[in-house]
Amino acid sequence: DTGVSQDPRHKITKRGQNVTFRCDPISEHNRLYWYRQTLGQGPEFLTYFQNEAQLEKSRLLSDRFSAERPKGSFSTLEIQRTEQGDSAMYLCASSSSGSSYNEQFFGPGTRLTVL
Amino acid sequence: AQSVTQLDSQVPVFEEAPVELRCNYSSSVSVYLFWYVQYPNQGLQLLLKYLSGSTLVKGINGFEAEFNKSQTSFHLRKPSVHISDTAEYFCAVRGAYGGATNKLIFGTGTLLAVQP
Repeated sequence: DTGVSQDPRHKITKRGQNVTFRCDPISEHNRLYWYRQTLGQGPEFLTYFQNEAQLEKSRLLSDRFSAERPKGSFSTLEIQRTEQGDSAMYLCASSSSGSSYNEQFFGPGTRLTVL
Repeated sequence: AQSVTQLDSQVPVFEEAPVELRCNYSSSVSVYLFWYVQYPNQGLQLLLKYLSGSTLVKGINGFEAEFNKSQTSFHLRKPSVHISDTAEYFCAVRGAYGGATNKLIFGTGTLLAVQP
């Protein structure tokens, strides 16, 4: 078991460019979550998948953000037309609906810097 | 809806001294409570959790926390800290009822700075 992995670990982009991040959950986990963490703040929930279905989206997830989990395994988070305010750490977590309280295991995160 | 308050943004402490990191929550329904630790440039690691039962819960690395329903608190304690405990600590909450959302609500974090 290699844990939750995220790629890339760091991304620097210019304002207006599109970026895409990938998250690979723990293999037997059917639930996947995306959070955003800005400097000096705790993580904030963005969205949540159970298998392929996106079951919840935060109002933080503007129209420029889209997340997918096409085969119920890895997930991608795309940000279109990036803005400086998108600079943050993007964290992915996974859990199993079969566990008693769905402990979420976090990946190392992708740090995005928008210039 | 739930919310979490961590009033202390930074707690400096000398090595081998005891420490308490404070966490208060707000919720109209039953909750699960968690403490996570984040080392620099890493993801979050679960320290301990309160689901039900005994209000004193023990976690990894010698940490423990006590759930106090009347004061809506879940303070984290360690009797003797080490330099390696220097990290950001986050308190989190989620609903504990059927149909509750699975998302975690985090506090703003407390930086534990252990000095030699």
